[in-house]
Amino acid sequence: AQTVTQSQPEMSVQEAETVTLSCTYDTSENNYYLFWYKQPPSRQMILVIRQEAYKQQNATENRFSVNFQKAAKSFSLKISDSQLGDTAMYFCAFMNGYHNNNDMRFGAGTRLTVKP
Amino acid sequence: KAGVTQTPRYLIKTRGQQVTLSCSPISGHRSVSWYQQTPGQGLQFLFEYFSETQRNKGNFPGRFSGRQFSNSRSEMNVSTLELGDSALYLCASSPLGQGAEAFFGQGTRLTVV
Repeated sequence: AQTVTQSQPEMSVQEAETVTLSCTYDTSENNYYLFWYKQPPSRQMILVIRQEAYKQQNATENRFSVNFQKAAKSFSLKISDSQLGDTAMYFCAFMNGYHNNNDMRFGAGTRLTVKP
Repeated sequence: KAGVTQTPRYLIKTRGQQVTLSCSPISGHRSVSWYQQTPGQGLQFLFEYFSETQRNKGNFPGRFSGRQFSNSRSEMNVSTLELGDSALYLCASSPLGQGAEAFFGQGTRLTVV
């Protein structure tokens, strides 16, 4: 069974600075997808970034980028130029690429606070 | 385009009762997944439906069930409610394609008293 581990329950960062959230996962599969989702106090989960395991290049979305280390099974999220609106819970998620379904396995989450 | 809609937003039920939650996916999305979110267990996968068929099921007791209609709307049902079923229930819809992004609703907060 795949497991996802987020070792940082809480983090804080000053506005405009950079912060990195860590995520490791355990799988024997070679084809899979990784995601970072953000859950603000409004509760709605929003996709931040998506990575396909067979792609070597790290995914980037504006101020958000990942450091995907497949051999180490590590998938960290870097947020640059942090903004107050980035305050939220961040979840790392794993999806198996072989099975014909869309279920995701989530980590426990990291609560990020951006301070003014 | 309307997002994923979950109803009701809040629900209070008594132990032993049953409850039905509803989810309307984004138009054109045929895959609907359900997740339970609690402070202790985090986000856990319940089940996924695609074209009215359950494709996968998480590790939950048989009291948890679901279905999907021909218009892709989905319902989940919990029978004989227990205090531990209190949680935020999230529904997500996805377009066709493996590894597609899941779009989440705002969830239904269920409290069992």
